[in-house]
Amino acid sequence: EIVLTQSPATLSLSPGERATLSCRASQSVSSYLAWYQQKPGQAPRLLIYDASNRATGIPARFSGSGSGTDFTLTISSLEPEDFAVYYCQQRSNWPPEDTFGQGTKLEIK
Amino acid sequence: QLQLQESGPGLVKPSETLSLTCTVSGGSISSSSYYWGWIRQPPGKGLEWIGSIYYSGSTYYNPSLKSRVTISVDTSKNQFSLKLSSVTAADTAVYYCARQDSSGWFFIWGQGTMVTVSS
Repeated sequence: EIVLTQSPATLSLSPGERATLSCRASQSVSSYLAWYQQKPGQAPRLLIYDASNRATGIPARFSGSGSGTDFTLTISSLEPEDFAVYYCQQRSNWPPEDTFGQGTKLEIK
Repeated sequence: QLQLQESGPGLVKPSETLSLTCTVSGGSISSSSYYWGWIRQPPGKGLEWIGSIYYSGSTYYNPSLKSRVTISVDTSKNQFSLKLSSVTAADTAVYYCARQDSSGWFFIWGQGTMVTVSS
């Protein structure tokens, strides 16, 4: 079973600052990693898939990078609506099993 | 535009079976190369994948829940369903249904439904 570890658990930043969120896999997942944003009372929303591809409608300030075991979600300049919880997710090849990281809460400083 | 909507009882008694349905609108559940999945989120906690069903009917479950989970599809109603048996308070959560592409990414989500396990 692949375990995803996200860091930090909580990140306190101000609007306009750059946010860097980390997701580390317990073994290589190649580029098979996605990132989701979840706001209170809402379903998660897919931001990034295949480690670096933005989903439709996601602003360019969101970018993903990494491969193997270490991945990063970067928000270049925080907007007020970006403060939320972010999860990474991977899928193992066979049998297909999906795993989420424990989440990083991005809060306003 | 594809939409998913969960439905089912909001309160289930301990040891009973939790049953939820996800109704798909704006598209066919039989579309090739998609998975249809269930994810849950206990209050104040993170996301947990429960299981998924492929358009072909093949099912895949979280190993930690496998002995209690059944996911099925009703193509005539454009719905898929979740059954979780022998529930306890630890199964209290918001339950989401979602569509996954062939790589497993959850592109489209339902709004979620809260299920409480209590006598």
